[in-house]
Amino acid sequence: SQQGEEDPQALSIQEGENATMNCSYKTSINNLQWYRQNSGRGLVHLILIRSNEREKHSGRLRVTLDTSKKSSSLLITASRAADTASYFCATDASTGNQFYFGTGTSLTVIP
Amino acid sequence: DAGVIQSPRHEVTEMGQEVTLRCKPISGHNSLFWYRQTMMRGLELLIYFNNNVPIDDSGMPEDRFSAKMPNASFSTLKIQPSEPRDSAVYFCASSFAMTSGDHNEQFFGPGTRLTVL
Repeated sequence: SQQGEEDPQALSIQEGENATMNCSYKTSINNLQWYRQNSGRGLVHLILIRSNEREKHSGRLRVTLDTSKKSSSLLITASRAADTASYFCATDASTGNQFYFGTGTSLTVIP
Repeated sequence: DAGVIQSPRHEVTEMGQEVTLRCKPISGHNSLFWYRQTMMRGLELLIYFNNNVPIDDSGMPEDRFSAKMPNASFSTLKIQPSEPRDSAVYFCASSFAMTSGDHNEQFFGPGTRLTVL
């Protein structure tokens, strides 16, 4: 089964608002990554957070990681219509060679 | 660099035919991944290679699927014989890993949309 589960499955917000997506996973990890996918395109890497980190920023993106709860969140601040896409978390399991993508959150930003 | 290159971009074939998908990773990357994406199952890792060696093929659905990486700049994913349930978008991705178990930032190709009639 897939390692990550995103929540919510779909999110619709107005331009300028913040968007928060959550990811839960099942086993211990080395790192957790967030990717974005525009319709009909390949995935694009956004940010990687390691298991010993709690928070990371990149531009308008803020990622948090709580290893005790096995969860992560991605916050996009001041959203733009161009942020409309699907967002996936991916986990690098600390045992074995497993790498799993979650089910994704479909974000729609209304201009 | 042109990024990860996949061919063909679209493939329509009939059930029972052999399908070969191709991927050229980014130069200098030593890990290559094949994924399958469908609405029902989401994004699934099929197999990945490190330094041209298959490390984990536990995601390969069945014996009809095979993947090779004869050199650092080329990989193929073959389906023989193909079935309608193989219809999906197949992505290739590459990355640089310090060790075979590392999973860092991956760069994805544009995908091959496969339709099996």
